[in-house]
Formats: sequence, C-alpha cells, structure tokens
Amino acid sequence: DVKVTQSSRYLVKRTGEKVFLECVQDMDHENMFWYRQDPGLGLRLIYFSYDVKMKEKGDIPEGYSVSREKKERFSLILESASTNQTSMYLCASSLYGTENTEAFFGQGTRLTVV
Amino acid sequence: AQSVTQPDIHITVSEGASLELRCNYSYGATPYLFWYVQSPGQGLQLLLKYFSGDTLVQGIKGFEAEFKRSQSSFNLRKPSVHWSDAAEYFCAVTTNTNAGKSTFGDGTTLTVKP
Repeated sequence: DVKVTQSSRYLVKRTGEKVFLECVQDMDHENMFWYRQDPGLGLRLIYFSYDVKMKEKGDIPEGYSVSREKKERFSLILESASTNQTSMYLCASSLYGTENTEAFFGQGTRLTVV
Repeated sequence: AQSVTQPDIHITVSEGASLELRCNYSYGATPYLFWYVQSPGQGLQLLLKYFSGDTLVQGIKGFEAEFKRSQSSFNLRKPSVHWSDAAEYFCAVTTNTNAGKSTFGDGTTLTVKP
C-alpha cells in the first residue's frame, strides 16, 4: 500500500521565515509533486521532480524552491514566507510510465503565515 | 495545453438520490482521465481511472464514470448517494508523455441532504 507522508499537518509561521515542508513516499516512485490548494482554484502545481536532483517548475513556482536529494524525499521550501502563501499544500507521488500514472497523495499541510 | 473544466462548483443531493458530476477536458491526444475524492482536511484518494478500452469504468465506493470522446467528457456517476459521499471531487487529466503530471479541475463540492 502506497504511503505518502507529509511531516506536518498544521504549521504556523511568521512572515519572512524560511519554511520547509517535507514529504516522503515509500513506494520507490520516480515522480513527486507539490501542489497548492486554495478554495475555488483547485490544485495548482508548484514544482515536480521525475528523478533525484531533477526538478521542473509547475504553474506557480514563484516564491518556492524544492530539493530532492533522495528518491523518496521531496522538500518544498518557502525562502521568505508571505501571507499570500497561506494555503493547503499537498504532496503526491507516482510511477513514471504510461499505464500507472495515478497520483498518490499525502494528507496535506495547512500552512498559515502570520 | 491540456485543461479540465468542472462546471458545477457545488452540488446538493438528497441521500439515496442519484448523482452525476460533470467533467470536460481539452487535449489533442488520447487523455488519461481520473476522478479523485477529498474528504475534509484530507489528501486526495483515487476513485477511478480511464486509460483505454471499455469507456465505462467502475471505481471504488460504487462510483462509475463514462468516457465520451465525442463530447470530451468524463462524467462521474453514482446511482444512490450516501451521506458519507459528502466531499470534494476532482477530475484530472494527464498525458502519455510525462506520465503522472496531471492537470486538475477546480473541484465540485458535494453536499448530501438527509
């Protein structure tokens, strides 16, 4: 059973802080993703990675960076948190291929920046 | 670019009534289509997926969806809704190239009346 674990369910950070959101998956998936979810806007892709040390920008990468030093771990970094980054953050992973492309999601991290 | 439209932001049905959630996609090649469900405060869970073959696909929790290429639609249905089905539902599409990078609709929130 695939498991994607996000290190925190809830976080409260101050404006200007550097924030790390951690995600670990245990099924040896190549792909990992970070999404941001806001009411009425669905899921928007921030960054994704299809291999260790590889990353590609998604639709809304501004203000974020990522790190993937190991296959199972994908970190999202807010270099200087701002109030407009208050949101639900979802990590996901999937196999790379044509038949098994469904994504498996973590439970989400609700980040509040004050 | 691929896109997904869920025309209904919010739907309310009575318990025991039938349900149909609409999804339209825009993509030039053969799409791979998914429906996910998200309970409050949780991550997304896959309900069903369509890759090829039979255009009527069965999923978990009694849900089904029908792929209609001529209408670019992948509507989700359930014959009899249960109170526990109240959640947010997302339709998603991906490609056969960079597999796993999905585009999500904005979601439909389902309320179930007793």
